Amino acid sequence: QLVLTQPPSVSASLGASVKLTCTLSSAHSNYVIAWHQQQPDQAPRFLLRHNSDGSLTKGDEIPDRFSVSRHGAERFLTISGLQSEDEAVYHCQSWGPDVWVFGGGTRLTVL
Amino acid sequence: QVQLVESGGGVVQPGTSLKLSCEGSRFNFAFHSMFWVRQAPGRGLEWVAEMSYDGSDEFYADSVKGRFTISRDNSKNTLYLQMNNLRRDDTAVYYCAKDINMGAVTPTTFDSWGLGTLVTVSS
Repeated sequence: QLVLTQPPSVSASLGASVKLTCTLSSAHSNYVIAWHQQQPDQAPRFLLRHNSDGSLTKGDEIPDRFSVSRHGAERFLTISGLQSEDEAVYHCQSWGPDVWVFGGGTRLTVL
Repeated sequence: QVQLVESGGGVVQPGTSLKLSCEGSRFNFAFHSMFWVRQAPGRGLEWVAEMSYDGSDEFYADSVKGRFTISRDNSKNTLYLQMNNLRRDDTAVYYCAKDINMGAVTPTTFDSWGLGTLVTVSS
């Protein structure tokens, strides 16, 4: 069963960088994921999809401050130069045969 | 810019039915698989259902299988979710979302979201 695990919360200072983690279940360690941002009381917004060839498919007007990396079953979203509007819940998401799965979301607090 | 507008939410009693709609605009609705995703109060996102671009395939989360039915009318650019035998744990904001891919390419992720419609199941 495809499972994505995210820490519930993380905090970082204004102007700093933060690395958010999403861990895939071991049997699915090579899966592709996407990231969605949900600002307070807003609908989710697509950030980017980290494709299998390493390329990125970004959402509309997503700045270069958002980048991704991977190590084994872990997928990372790094946000550089944190701004107040980056304070949000970040959801990772993947898909398998006939199923689409989200992680529990990580709430990012910008101090 | 893509627009997705959900409607049809409300307060209903357990065991009753409700039908949600989602009208899409400013994109080729008939070319994209479409999804329903929900979010219970204070919780994360949960995929509910998916329908292929031409309506030939549909898939459901186990939590709603046998109770919910997804459908679409490409002539009206509209996606539907018929929800029967509603339970208290179906209480959530229901979002309509568009697949990033087109046509028969495997649906992967949601590149546009509506604002959502709230469904509250309570006696």
